Amino acid sequence: ETGVTQTPRHLVMGMTNKKSLKCEQHLGHNAMYWYKQSAKKPLELMFVYNFKEQTENNSVPSRFSPECPNSSHLFLHLHTLQPEDSALYLCASSQDKTKHGTQYFGPGTRLLVL
Amino acid sequence: GDSVTQMEGPVTLSEEAFLTINCTYTATGYPSLFWYVQYPGEGLQLLLKATKADDKGSNKGFEATYRKETTSFHLEKGSVQVSDSAVYFCALIPDSNYQLIWGAGTKLIIKP
Repeated sequence: ETGVTQTPRHLVMGMTNKKSLKCEQHLGHNAMYWYKQSAKKPLELMFVYNFKEQTENNSVPSRFSPECPNSSHLFLHLHTLQPEDSALYLCASSQDKTKHGTQYFGPGTRLLVL
Repeated sequence: GDSVTQMEGPVTLSEEAFLTINCTYTATGYPSLFWYVQYPGEGLQLLLKATKADDKGSNKGFEATYRKETTSFHLEKGSVQVSDSAVYFCALIPDSNYQLIWGAGTKLIIKP
């Protein structure tokens, strides 16, 4: 148990569906991250929030829309996804955005787009 | 640019064998270095870290020493167990920013 929870753990959706992934951290951290982990590819950073403000968007398609209502919660809204978006989506948090800020990960949401 | 290179897997060992997973990096200055582990069906867990040269990180019998002269951070364990089977990721945070730079991961398989 890392103090970062994600729901749902598994999600199957069609290309026309709209769904949301939820992440919650109980560590009192100020920075939160979304990553995408695909088979045989390096971990990809998608979005970074620091004190609820988005500070990074690594060229992520607009069909992924993040939301950070407070420092403890992070959402990833999904709409009109493609099959190649099937992956494990990981949320992480860290105390702050410094090089010593160890990131703590949730268990991930396994997404399958049909 | 900054990068991390790990030995390719899978690495297959027998229980109680000695483990080394090589990790080398390219980065300016003094990055922080990390090893994360991912057990089947789970997210990533921090295994150990080192934030300055010659530091040794250790946890659960695993060790890694920050070697600035060889730009390496090799992971070692003296006697592995079946429960150590997982994917191990080496990563760094460079001086210039806060973003983790990841290696490709090394799958470790321990046979009884």
